[in-house]
Amino acid sequence: GAGVSQSPRYKVAKRGQDVALRCDPISGHVSLFWYQQALGQGPEFLTYFQNEAQLDKSGLPSDRFFAERPEGSVSTLKIQRTQQEDSAVYLCASSRTSGGGLETQYFGPGTRLLVL
Amino acid sequence: KQEVTQIPAALSVPEGENLVLNCSFTDSAIYNLQWFRQDPGKGLTSLLLIQSSQREQTSGRLNASLDKSSGRSTLYIAASQPGDSATYLCAVRANDYKLSFGAGTTVTVRA
Repeated sequence: GAGVSQSPRYKVAKRGQDVALRCDPISGHVSLFWYQQALGQGPEFLTYFQNEAQLDKSGLPSDRFFAERPEGSVSTLKIQRTQQEDSAVYLCASSRTSGGGLETQYFGPGTRLLVL
Repeated sequence: KQEVTQIPAALSVPEGENLVLNCSFTDSAIYNLQWFRQDPGKGLTSLLLIQSSQREQTSGRLNASLDKSSGRSTLYIAASQPGDSATYLCAVRANDYKLSFGAGTTVTVRA
């Protein structure tokens, strides 16, 4: 079956531009996560949705970062006024239910953002 | 805050040799620990998930152990192949959803 998909796969932005990154989770998955992976580092948690509700946004680095999932399926991560330090791979993951110890998160291929 | 460390950062071995990858974490109050594989330009693929009550998990040539009290996990890959070349990430779950990752071990298996 189809996995998690993300678009665009690559994005080059000039400093100060706004960008929008899209995530299509596995159909029917309740939970959706965004992670940021800097070069040479492991992914860092950004935010978590359960259906359309954003239950945790504690990892968002600044108020320039905004995420939404209005209908409980597709999610968009928006970064306003991009800065060079925003350059990273942004990973989206989904899981079937609302969490719990047995759940595994299924990851998409990521969007590689480069801010010049 | 949970800190996850992976040693070594990189590893190069000849084909056929066994691989040993180490992961340590600072807070032993975890729900589970997961090992992922990441290929260049691709997402993460889950390899093994160990619940906090378990000591090890096995899948084919892969075996992962967990010592929660000492905050350690080890991933063993037997009889390595060039196709095993990738970055291996360790992640711990300390609550119902949030994963804390290590920086990974990049493995190269030489033919």
